[in-house]
Amino acid sequence: GAGVSQSPRYKVAKRGQDVALRCDPISGHVSLFWYQQALGQGPEFLTYFQNEAQLDKSGLPSDRFFAERPEGSVSTLKIQRTQQEDSAVYLCASSLVSSGGVAKNIQYFGAGTRLSVL
Amino acid sequence: SQQGEEDPQALSIQEGENATMNCSYKTSINNLQWYRQNSGRGLVHLILIRSNEREKHSGRLRVTLDTSKKSSSLLITASRAADTASYFCATGPLSGNTGKLIFGQGTTLQVKP
Repeated sequence: GAGVSQSPRYKVAKRGQDVALRCDPISGHVSLFWYQQALGQGPEFLTYFQNEAQLDKSGLPSDRFFAERPEGSVSTLKIQRTQQEDSAVYLCASSLVSSGGVAKNIQYFGAGTRLSVL
Repeated sequence: SQQGEEDPQALSIQEGENATMNCSYKTSINNLQWYRQNSGRGLVHLILIRSNEREKHSGRLRVTLDTSKKSSSLLITASRAADTASYFCATGPLSGNTGKLIFGQGTTLQVKP
């Protein structure tokens, strides 16, 4: 497909369960971002990759959150021992240009994964 | 922690009317962007304005930026029912620039046919 693809679209997890969320960015896009969006709020930055390098993970809320992009394309966001406060929509975005200098990149978002932790 | 604040939080208008949404931010930026989000979907980029620009137009959209007041506005003219969505401003910070965007809380716009 031409856009950013995320899977699954919906995930229900029991508290304490580990989950893995997948993002397929637009082919050739260098930059990849993960955001967390709570209900009724704007997205909040989690982490950023330039190709396979994770250059910024300042937004990850705890060490239970881990992201990887081993071949510089598909990325996985893993949440270990999920808690109820992890319930949110997780958005992935990609952009063509790398960062550095003036960041004027436009980000293309996937539809998100809605995670519900019971 | 989000940087931006938007007002109003919710706006309801009739088709054909204009809609104005405002956004304020806290730190220095190099650009400000507006995104639209339809219910249950991802965000779609609408328009980007650089910090050295004051106004920008794209179709029925008009964006202004006042860096001295750290504020921006989005005007949608001649609104349509299809414009019903949530609108978010997002800033690209000036320092430590990884390209990450900092979003406001959004304005929910309802356009009644």
